[in-house]
Amino acid sequence: AQRVTQPEKLLSVFKGAPVELKCNYSYSGSPELFWYVQYSRQRLQLLLRHISRESIKGFTADLNKGETSFHLKKPFAQEEDSAMYYCANQGGKLIFGQGTELSVKP
Amino acid sequence: DVKVTQSSRYLVKRTGEKVFLECVQDMDHENMFWYRQDPGLGLRLIYFSYDVKMKEKGDIPEGYSVSREKKERFSLILESASTNQTSMYLCASSSGTGGSTDTQYFGPGTRLTVL
Repeated sequence: AQRVTQPEKLLSVFKGAPVELKCNYSYSGSPELFWYVQYSRQRLQLLLRHISRESIKGFTADLNKGETSFHLKKPFAQEEDSAMYYCANQGGKLIFGQGTELSVKP
Repeated sequence: DVKVTQSSRYLVKRTGEKVFLECVQDMDHENMFWYRQDPGLGLRLIYFSYDVKMKEKGDIPEGYSVSREKKERFSLILESASTNQTSMYLCASSSGTGGSTDTQYFGPGTRLTVL
């Protein structure tokens, strides 16, 4: 069955530390992977998508088809990165992961 | 700038009531979606629509129905509200013929409490 898994409910790091939010997917077709972010009291919004291969707010994510992963990374976390992050596969059925809350401490 | 609006930010209803959640987008998007957002469960798709008067079931359609009479408006209906439908409801829209592969733009959400 098609699935998106974010194994961490909560990830807590200190400012300036590297951060990696994990996302694994299961899908037999070609995945269309996205990361969405929801800051406190704001609406859910697109952070980045794998086909764009871009860096947004210092975040990058590389699709690894061998490991069926699309982990979100940032080398130096900032306090303003604190938010809820959702990984989504929009190939075939629309499936979102359970979400990971990132907390960046000063 | 894409604007997706939802009729209410907070709603409190009683068990058995019929509930209407309205969503309007102003960017002429073909695709519209309704999700519920629950802690630990992420976003789960309830229904979506790729065109006016067209609807498709998502992963959790039971207890819900939808209506899309106009392109810009997508309504979610709870025929007889129950306490397990207490949740945050998010509406989203996207453009183009790519359907699910286009960026989704979300509304601010409606927090529904069913007593």
